[in-house]
Amino acid sequence: QKEVEQNSGPLSVPEGAIASLNCTYSDRGSQSFFWYRQYSGKSPELIMFIYSNGDKEDGRFTAQLNKASQYVSLLIRDSQPSDSATYLCAGRKAAGNKLTFGGGTRVLVKP
Amino acid sequence: GAGVSQSPSNKVTEKGKDVELRCDPISGHTALYWYRQSLGQGLEFLIYFQGNSAPDKSGLPSDRFSAERTGGSVSTLTIQRTQQEDSAVYLCASSQGQGHEQYFGPGTRLTVT
Repeated sequence: QKEVEQNSGPLSVPEGAIASLNCTYSDRGSQSFFWYRQYSGKSPELIMFIYSNGDKEDGRFTAQLNKASQYVSLLIRDSQPSDSATYLCAGRKAAGNKLTFGGGTRVLVKP
Repeated sequence: GAGVSQSPSNKVTEKGKDVELRCDPISGHTALYWYRQSLGQGLEFLIYFQGNSAPDKSGLPSDRFSAERTGGSVSTLTIQRTQQEDSAVYLCASSQGQGHEQYFGPGTRLTVT
């Protein structure tokens, strides 16, 4: 079992809809979580990070963390074709610094 | 401000040759990380530098890989006697310090023929 798991997709959503991405992790020592967006041929770009249980909103993005269920999610509201990319979930342990990445979820937003 | 920069952007080398990849972190960032991304393995941690502390080398796949960081800024990742399985995109990231979010550079695509 990988430490951080994501559905590889593709997740196909119509323009204007909500895209919901999920991530689960196996190590309860993981304390903070990061969502990166990666366009094809480009490097990962940080979208959001979350440390505490609950929701965190930033513009059209909402990250959700449930440590009891070891579950992280990212919601993208009013999805745009420019949101089409691979979204990487990463976890970091409290005492550590390296990020452990999931395999990424490919999102396709169709006009 | 300027982001993380890496050079070269692309490197093609013959099996058995040594390569050096360079990373220049965001100004003021004290922490620097190397990762690599390949189709089969996803994005994997290689090594981490924080200030003058001993680096965390726990992700280096073999002793052919080494890295140094001079003057607390620029870092060089060296791969000796390259193998075809070393072909990947090598990504550098930096952060303000321990516990802060990491920002990635554009990467170096290494192809070993």
